[in-house]
Amino acid sequence: AQSVTQLGSHVSVSEGALVLLRCNYSSSVPPYLFWYVQYPNQGLQLLLKYTSAATLVKGINGFEAEFKKSETSFHLTKPSAHMSDAAEYFCAVSEWTGNQFYFGTGTSLTVIP
Amino acid sequence: NAGVTQTPKFRVLKTGQSMTLLCAQDMNHEYMYWYRQDPGMGLRLIHYSVGEGTTAKGEVPDGYNVSRLKKQNFLLGLESAAPSQTSVYFCASSSREFNYGYTFGSGTRLTVV
Repeated sequence: AQSVTQLGSHVSVSEGALVLLRCNYSSSVPPYLFWYVQYPNQGLQLLLKYTSAATLVKGINGFEAEFKKSETSFHLTKPSAHMSDAAEYFCAVSEWTGNQFYFGTGTSLTVIP
Repeated sequence: NAGVTQTPKFRVLKTGQSMTLLCAQDMNHEYMYWYRQDPGMGLRLIHYSVGEGTTAKGEVPDGYNVSRLKKQNFLLGLESAAPSQTSVYFCASSSREFNYGYTFGSGTRLTVV
């Protein structure tokens, strides 16, 4: 089974600063990779996904993530944090032949004015 | 709007009571899932279904039962609620082609007293 590790359960950045949320997965075979965002008291929304096309993936709200096979990583970045980015972020992995996703434990992002 | 609908949104149960959570999707997705979300533990898979009439256990199935009599509906039952089942429950669905990711419902907040 896959495992997903999100380093840092809480990340704080200043408004306008770079956002970097880390995700590493365990598979030796390139899987499908996803980032989801959860705003308070809401469900999860898809931010972006990697499905074996370009390794640099652009998502909504200015976020992007880069798939690095050699590092088994899929870190999420945004050049300039906005107050509205404060939320919980989840990395998820799915194998091509699997029937479920595997989620990290989440990273709570705080944006400081 | 197309998507995943969960009912109810909130519920308070007494220990030992039973209830059923309903998940409905209108995207003709084959796969459906029930997760619970607890602070610091991320999302944990309870049960899932890969098609009408089929169900399978996930990571934390004890104390829950599910049924998928119709493709668009996935029911989660608690036969005898316990305080440990206090959580936020999310339903999700996906097509067989996982490259599109999950679509999540907005969640059900359940408190067992």
